[in-house]
Amino acid sequence: QVRLQESGPGLVRPSGTLSLTCGVSGDSLKNNDNWWAWVRQPPGKGLEWIGEIHHSGSTNYHPSLEGRVTISMDKSHNEFSLRLTSVTAADTALYFCARDILVGAVYDVWGQGTMVTVSS
Amino acid sequence: EIVMTQSPRSLPVTPGEPASISCWSSQSLLQTDGIHYLEWYLQKPGKSPQLLIYSTSTRASGVPDRFTGSGSGTDFTLRISRVETEDVGVYYCMQARQGPYTFGQGTKLEI
Repeated sequence: QVRLQESGPGLVRPSGTLSLTCGVSGDSLKNNDNWWAWVRQPPGKGLEWIGEIHHSGSTNYHPSLEGRVTISMDKSHNEFSLRLTSVTAADTALYFCARDILVGAVYDVWGQGTMVTVSS
Repeated sequence: EIVMTQSPRSLPVTPGEPASISCWSSQSLLQTDGIHYLEWYLQKPGKSPQLLIYSTSTRASGVPDRFTGSGSGTDFTLRISRVETEDVGVYYCMQARQGPYTFGQGTKLEI
């Protein structure tokens, strides 16, 4: 059974850097052709796609976050990460990682989500 | 950016009755491979989203056949033939025709 688990600080200071990791079990980042994605949900609001990374290292990001966002992969630890710089209160959200198994954002497995609050 | 619009925003239903959610995209979701890249997700209260339907009409593994997706171009629909209490939550459509992928605002199904 494939499981994803987000981890990282729950509180980040304004203008600081948000860093989250998604640990993957039951699947290998080395041995498949999947994309791995990050999605966030501000409190009481809908879902927002952040970006994704392929096992080849290719990435796609939401244009509104371009320049602030980096998604990377550590195959040796079977995890991928999200880094968001210069955060503001607008980045406060529940952050999910997900596995994309097919062309077309088919997110079949999601992590439980981790809440990140941007506040001083 | 493709804008996704859902209707209704809130959907009160009675168990055993059918339900329908509409989703429109600001551009056609038809890709050159002939597939409309439109997915449906359900977020149950306090839970992560779960995949229901992908490529407009393909049910994900384990999804009951009371869920049916249809549509083409810019107009899509999710139908539940007979609503059950476990179907409560917020339903999102999502387009993956082109980046950035975008979600609809969500439809809250309530019993």
